[in-house]
This record gives sequence, structure tokens and C-alpha cells, in this order.
Amino acid sequence: KAGVTQTPRYLIKTRGQQVTLSCSPISGHRSVSWYQQTPGQGLQFLFEYFSETQRNKGNFPGRFSGRQFSNSRSEMNVSTLELGDSALYLCASSLDGTGDEKLFFGSGTQLSVL
Amino acid sequence: TQLLEQSPQFLSIQEGENLTVYCNSSSVFSSLQWYRQEPGEGPVLLVTVVTGGEVKKLKRLTFQFGDARKDSSLHITAAQPGDTGLYLCAGAIGGSYIPTFGRGTSLIVHP
Repeated sequence: KAGVTQTPRYLIKTRGQQVTLSCSPISGHRSVSWYQQTPGQGLQFLFEYFSETQRNKGNFPGRFSGRQFSNSRSEMNVSTLELGDSALYLCASSLDGTGDEKLFFGSGTQLSVL
Repeated sequence: TQLLEQSPQFLSIQEGENLTVYCNSSSVFSSLQWYRQEPGEGPVLLVTVVTGGEVKKLKRLTFQFGDARKDSSLHITAAQPGDTGLYLCAGAIGGSYIPTFGRGTSLIVHP
């Protein structure tokens, strides 16, 4: 069974640009959640999608958005990039997205904003 | 304020030593999960503890959930270099869909 796949693995952007990250969950998993990981803040929840609907959202500005497709694949977009957006962006999938459920993480996309 | 406080933040030990890392909160969790994250990879689930007072063993790793379900500990016996990584605890409060993560304990085991 293939794991969670995130692309691209690394990205370098400049301030003001926008970026789109992709996540393919484990087959059969309907919940996809996104996290931002930085050394100072740890893993911060961005949002969670279930059956193409955003079900939960963290405390991030509107520049951070996402979507989920009918095959459960998900994308997240960050517009007007800022230096502080440099981080490891992790995607996790689970069957139904209940809080006690096991999360399967991808290897992440390392975003550097210059 | 972090909902889940992990300590210590960093730990550097020699192979063969024992260690304990802690995960504490003022909130009650329906369950707590422990993950290990290796450099350049995403976190991997090690264990989920559900019942207050529960103890789970995974080879040289022993996990304990506090009686009041507000804290947890991870004890590693005879640490090995392969145990090196970031240990994260995570928990969901009540019926929340969203697990909250602690900032982690970064462990380095020197050969």
C-alpha cells in the first residue's frame, strides 16, 4: 500500500510569489489535513478536508488556502509569500479524520522563501 | 500557550543510557499519541494510549498515560543511535477532529 505522497519535496520562492503544494493520501483515506512545522512553533494545524469539504481550519491568515478533489487528493496554496512562511509543510491522511485516529504523514514539502 | 508541553526540549545521551520524556497538559485528552520524526521525514505514529493509567510497551519503549488523562511519558531503555529523532506527543480534546501537537523532544543518541 503506497504511503502519503507530497510533491514537490523542496521549493524555493521569493517574497510576494505564490505556491501550490500537492498531497496524495493513502488509498481509501478520505481525510487530509495540513500542518506547518517550524523549529520555533512545532506542528501547527492549517486545515482539514473531508469529502472535498473543508471541515476544520486553524488560525492562519487567508493567504493559506486549500482544496480537496473527488479522489481525495489535496492541494494547498499560499499566496503573497512572506519570509515567515518558510517551513516544512506536512500533509497527513486518515480514514475518517476523527481526533483519535492514526495519522499517516507524508515526507513534507520544505519551502524556503527568500 | 502550548496546550501540550513537552520536556525536555533537547536530550543528548550515550548509547545504552535510559531516558524519559514527558508530555503535560492542563486539559483532559480522550487519547494521546506519540510520534517519532526522523530528519527529512514526516512523523510516524508509535503508539496511542486511551485509558487513564494505561501502560504500553513497544520493545524498549514504555508509554504511560496519566490517571487523569492529562499527561503522558515515554521511557526508553538502553537507547540506541537508531532512536535518534524528534519525539512528538499529540492529543485531541473531547470530540475534536484536530489533534494538537507538542513541540517535541529532540533526542540524539551517540554511539
